[in-house]
Amino acid sequence: ETGVTQSPTHLIKTRGQQVTLRCSSQSGHNTVSWYQQALGQGPQFIFQYYREEENGRGNFPPRFSGLQFPNYSSELNVNALELDDSALYLCASSSRLAPYNEQFFGPGTRLTVL
Amino acid sequence: AQSVTQPDIHITVSEGASLELRCNYSYGATPYLFWYVQSPGQGLQLLLKYFSGDTLVQGIKGFEAEFKRSQSSFNLRKPSVHWSDAAEYFCAVVFSGGYNKLIFGAGTRLAVHP
Repeated sequence: ETGVTQSPTHLIKTRGQQVTLRCSSQSGHNTVSWYQQALGQGPQFIFQYYREEENGRGNFPPRFSGLQFPNYSSELNVNALELDDSALYLCASSSRLAPYNEQFFGPGTRLTVL
Repeated sequence: AQSVTQPDIHITVSEGASLELRCNYSYGATPYLFWYVQSPGQGLQLLLKYFSGDTLVQGIKGFEAEFKRSQSSFNLRKPSVHWSDAAEYFCAVVFSGGYNKLIFGAGTRLAVHP
């Protein structure tokens, strides 16, 4: 069974640029959630995708957007990057069939905005 | 507002000593409760979870946690710490009535002295 994978591992961008982060969910999982973890803080929920539609959103501006594909993989897009967007971005997958949708996390993508 | 508090930012213990990491949540009902561990450069690994039933739950790596409704707490314990337990520990909750959104505390960084 393949776990959650994310790419790239690290990324450096400059202010104003756009970035796309990718996540492959664990086999059998149909739900993907994205979290932002700033340095020294706990992860914060960005949004969740289920059946290719956004299924809940945290307190993040619209320049944070996402996609989910038919194979349940997902992308996180961030436009007009700001310095405060520098963080570890975590993807988690889960299955709606489980009694509780336990989330399995990928290793994350470290984004640095200069 | 729904929130999770981990009062201790840093804790240092000697190898072989016992450990207790504190977690409190703010919510009117009982949420689902979790403890995750994050090693440097790694994603989040689930240590244990509480949904209902027995308030003392056992997890992986010899960890346990006790849910106390009267104190809105879910403290993590280990009777004898190993050097490999040095990591950051996050308490997280999912509140009922919504989608599967994890709310994390700020984390406790554990250092282990030989």
